[in-house]
Amino acid sequence: GQGVEQPAKLMSVEGTFARVNCTYSTSGFNGLSWYQQREGQAPVFLSYVVLDGLKDSGHFSTFLSRSNGYSYLLLTELQIKDSASYLCAVRARNSAGNKLTFGIGTRVLVRP
Amino acid sequence: EAAVTQSPRNKVAVTGGKVTLSCNQTNNHNNMYWYRQDTGHGLRLIHYSYGAGSTEKGDIPDGYKASRPSQENFSLILELATPSQTSVYFCASGAGLGGNYAEQFFGPGTRLTVL
Repeated sequence: GQGVEQPAKLMSVEGTFARVNCTYSTSGFNGLSWYQQREGQAPVFLSYVVLDGLKDSGHFSTFLSRSNGYSYLLLTELQIKDSASYLCAVRARNSAGNKLTFGIGTRVLVRP
Repeated sequence: EAAVTQSPRNKVAVTGGKVTLSCNQTNNHNNMYWYRQDTGHGLRLIHYSYGAGSTEKGDIPDGYKASRPSQENFSLILELATPSQTSVYFCASGAGLGGNYAEQFFGPGTRLTVL
């Protein structure tokens, strides 16, 4: 089976950074995605990683360690508007229909 | 212009009643999905589809049926609604094999309350 774990909440300060952690267990791993979801809105795709290491996408970066079943989303130079929930989702190998298993989402609150 | 739309956006139903949630996508994606989102549970997959005429059970299919009459449309049906089905429902579309399967595009959601 699959399990995806994330902390429920995270607080940080404007201008600094926030790291959203995600741990997963799966019978076969075939990629991990990150989504942003603002209050009352739909999730929006941010990033996809399938190989170990750090992937830099400008305002944010994503890291993956397959051997540890661990990923993080790093948000840098935080702005108030970065306050949102960030969802981690795992795709299993041979997952029919490209199904994703989501974590509960981490609510990030950026304070002035 | 929004590529995945849902209707209705809000719905109040009575216990035992029938509810149909509709989803339309203009992405020309093969795959479509229905999720529910509840506090403490995140997004959970109810049903999904590979294309017109196909429906597959997701992780929590009990109490729900799905219908995919065309590439563009995917419906979720609650034949006998119960209060435990009160939730926010999201529809999503995604490319199948050969496409960028990593990304799913979500509709705006339907808030369903069953009294």
